[in-house]
Amino acid sequence: RKEVEQDPGPFNVPEGATVAFNCTYSNSASQSFFWYRQDCRKEPKLLMSVYSSGNEDGRFTAQLNRASQYISLLIRDSKLSDSATYLCVAPPGGTYKYIFGTGTRLKVLA
Amino acid sequence: GAVVSQHPSRVICKSGTSVKIECRSLDFQATTMFWYRQFPKQSLMLMATSNEGSKATYEQGVEKDKFLINHASLTLSTLTVTSAHPEDSSFYICSARTANRGDTQYFGPGTRLTVL
Repeated sequence: RKEVEQDPGPFNVPEGATVAFNCTYSNSASQSFFWYRQDCRKEPKLLMSVYSSGNEDGRFTAQLNRASQYISLLIRDSKLSDSATYLCVAPPGGTYKYIFGTGTRLKVLA
Repeated sequence: GAVVSQHPSRVICKSGTSVKIECRSLDFQATTMFWYRQFPKQSLMLMATSNEGSKATYEQGVEKDKFLINHASLTLSTLTVTSAHPEDSSFYICSARTANRGDTQYFGPGTRLTVL
């Protein structure tokens, strides 16, 4: 089993739609989690950290489910500019190394 | 804050030459710097972790003699791809972490290497 797994997509959704991605991780000792956004041929940019209690930033909501070892990202009212690849990161417990998922590609259609 | 730069942004070289990529943290001191490689349509793969003043720790399968990493200061790390071959063509991205911002890594803009 891969350390971090994501559905590669693509998810094609119309503008204004709500879309959700999940990411599963295998290392139960992982303590911190992140969602990054990567545009084509660019570096990843931090979208949000994922806290145990879940967190929300505008149209974006991240949740953590430790029992089932997955994190989720919900995007409401999708914009064309949300089109990108969303990368899930779950550093193994006790290290600062980032283990990236394959990324989920989102295309928001006009 | 937390800006990381990389230079060059793009390099094309002949097979057999060596290429040096610089990674700098511009507005903070980086406790640790990381080097990643990303092939087309694939995710980022960690190559090595480097701490200032000590030897880099390489991930399994990454040749340390081919990918030389120097982390001479808290704001600069360099990756040298020695005797580059076409299969080394990739997008190389560095990131930096600072102790007072927890586990968050800040990424440089990447260097696209093409070996002819």
